[in-house]
Amino acid sequence: AQSVTQLDSHVSVSEGTPVLLRCNYSSSYSPSLFWYVQHPNKGLQLLLKYTSAATLVKGINGFEAEFKKSETSFHLTKPSAHMSDAAEYFCVVSDRRGNKLVFGAGTILRVKS
Amino acid sequence: DTGVSQNPRHKITKRGQNVTFRCDPISEHNRLYWYRQTLGQGPEFLTYFQNEAQLEKSRLLSDRFSAERPKGSFSTLEIQRTEQGDSAMYLCASSLFRASGTNSPLHFGNGTRLTVT
Repeated sequence: AQSVTQLDSHVSVSEGTPVLLRCNYSSSYSPSLFWYVQHPNKGLQLLLKYTSAATLVKGINGFEAEFKKSETSFHLTKPSAHMSDAAEYFCVVSDRRGNKLVFGAGTILRVKS
Repeated sequence: DTGVSQNPRHKITKRGQNVTFRCDPISEHNRLYWYRQTLGQGPEFLTYFQNEAQLEKSRLLSDRFSAERPKGSFSTLEIQRTEQGDSAMYLCASSLFRASGTNSPLHFGNGTRLTVT
């Protein structure tokens, strides 16, 4: 079975500083991995996805993530945080056929002015 | 807006009552998914449809839960004899599963928040 572990339940950064949200995955096959963001009272929005092409994946709003098979990690980064980035972020792995997504517990990002 | 639409946004009900939620997917999407999200947790898979066929159900989906997608378009999720533990956000998502066997990323609706008192 596949699973993801988000290593931090809360991350707090100052506006303009880098963001790092950590995710480790477990999968018995080459996984498809995603990051979704959820703003308060809004639906989940796809930030980026990895599907075995380039290991460095660029997403929307300046976010990117690097797939590291040796470390079973898929950490999300952004060079400079904006206030609008404050939200909850989910690392997600899909089953082999892409039918079912398995979500991590989420990381709440707080951005201080 | 052509995104995934869910109704109602909020539902408050008393324990023991039945509730029904509706989801309208993106029109060209043939797959429709239901997830449940409780406070402080990530969404958990409940079930999914391809067109009108229900292809998989999670063990989380007890006998009190039933989902339908009769014409392969909108879907309903009914919970009978609600319990306080059913209080959660119920999320619907849709995707396009292609003949090549690849699935597009899931697009989620804003969810229906259920509170059982």
